[in-house]
Amino acid sequence: QVQLQESGPGLVKSSQTLSLTCTVSGGSISSGSFYWSWIRQPAGEGLEWIGRISTSGSTNYNPSLKSRITISVDSSKTQFSLKLTSVTAADTAVYYCARWSIHDGIFDYWGQGTLVTVSS
Amino acid sequence: QSALTQPRSVSGSPGQSVTISCTGTSSDVGGYNYVSWYQQHPGKAPKLMIYDVSRRPSGVPDRFSGSKSGNTASLTISGLQAEDEADYYCCAYAGSNTFVVFGGGTKLTVL
Repeated sequence: QVQLQESGPGLVKSSQTLSLTCTVSGGSISSGSFYWSWIRQPAGEGLEWIGRISTSGSTNYNPSLKSRITISVDSSKTQFSLKLTSVTAADTAVYYCARWSIHDGIFDYWGQGTLVTVSS
Repeated sequence: QSALTQPRSVSGSPGQSVTISCTGTSSDVGGYNYVSWYQQHPGKAPKLMIYDVSRRPSGVPDRFSGSKSGNTASLTISGLQAEDEADYYCCAYAGSNTFVVFGGGTKLTVL
């Protein structure tokens, strides 16, 4: 059974960089059948797709966040990571990592989510 | 402002049916059949309920069904049960650049 687990600081100061890692277990992160994504959800609000990376390293980012995002993958560690620079209170949210199945066009596995709070 | 438009809330009594709409554009909902629906209970990660507009993953009750007409997709839940009370999000593939867009979510209340 594929499992994804987010990890990283739960508190980040305003203007600094948010860094999260997603560890994938129970399946290969190197398969070309999947993309690896980050999605976030502010409290009481909807889901917002942040970006995705393929195992070859190609990326797509949400245009509204593109200038501040970097997503990378480390296949040897079965991990992929998110860096979001110059954070503000508006970046406070639960951050999820998820696997996108290219064949089915779905997010088929999700992490449990991790709350990141941006403080002033 | 979410890319896909959903009603903020819907409600129904046990046993009744409800339909949640998801309106996009010809670049997302109307352009591809990669429309999916996710159920989210408080404090939990979203769970896939419908994909490819109308297909159900294994384990999802057949009370859940999906459809699409033009730029609007719909999720119908028949025979409402208390455990169906949750937030529901639609998601649509939007091409290789934009990739995916989500709806703003609909809160389903089972009266």
